[in-house]
Amino acid sequence: GIQVEQSPPDLILQEGANSTLRCNFSDSVNNLQWFHQNPWGQLINLFYIPSGTKQNGRLSATTVATERYSLLYISSSQTTDSGVYFCAVERTGANSKLTFGKGITLSVRP
Amino acid sequence: SAVISQKPSRDICQRGTSLTIQCQVDSQVTMMFWYRQQPGQSLTLIATANQGSEATYESGFVIDKFPISRPNLTFSTLTVSNMSPEDSSIYLCSVRQVGDEQFFGPGTRLTVL
Repeated sequence: GIQVEQSPPDLILQEGANSTLRCNFSDSVNNLQWFHQNPWGQLINLFYIPSGTKQNGRLSATTVATERYSLLYISSSQTTDSGVYFCAVERTGANSKLTFGKGITLSVRP
Repeated sequence: SAVISQKPSRDICQRGTSLTIQCQVDSQVTMMFWYRQQPGQSLTLIATANQGSEATYESGFVIDKFPISRPNLTFSTLTVSNMSPEDSSIYLCSVRQVGDEQFFGPGTRLTVL
């Protein structure tokens, strides 16, 4: 199956700092999503981004499908950004099955 | 986006018993899935719930342990059978339309003693 690697595994930031989270995948994809899992376990959709660049407030994401990676940028981080960030991909021809990376645990300190 | 609810939100169960988790969506969806998230781990797909037919299970998951029903396009259940402490996890229902974004329910946090 497709491999999804996220880096770094853990990240500690001071409030106000910027960060870049990376997702590498091993095969061609026709779906890529970024999620934020909050401390209560809820998975929140951040971006649906199989290719290109999108922005939503302080967050933006870029996927370069030909080079098999995606980046999530967080600017001016806040304590509420803390949690686990997951990248999930659907390999082309995989019948809509999402495969998740192991996640990046982000802690933003006041 | 679809609004997904799950019941129960959490439960504590005894070893050897079974628990049925319900997933309700506020609109008809093409595809419904069940995922498991073990403590400190990522999400793993258990099965795709097929309307009116048997679910399609991923490697390592079997129907006897995780029977699934999907009677219509807005509802599905997952049963965790003959539970052991290793089944303690968050179980999440997920939905999407073909070729579209996927959404997750709030999850059911299960503890097995």
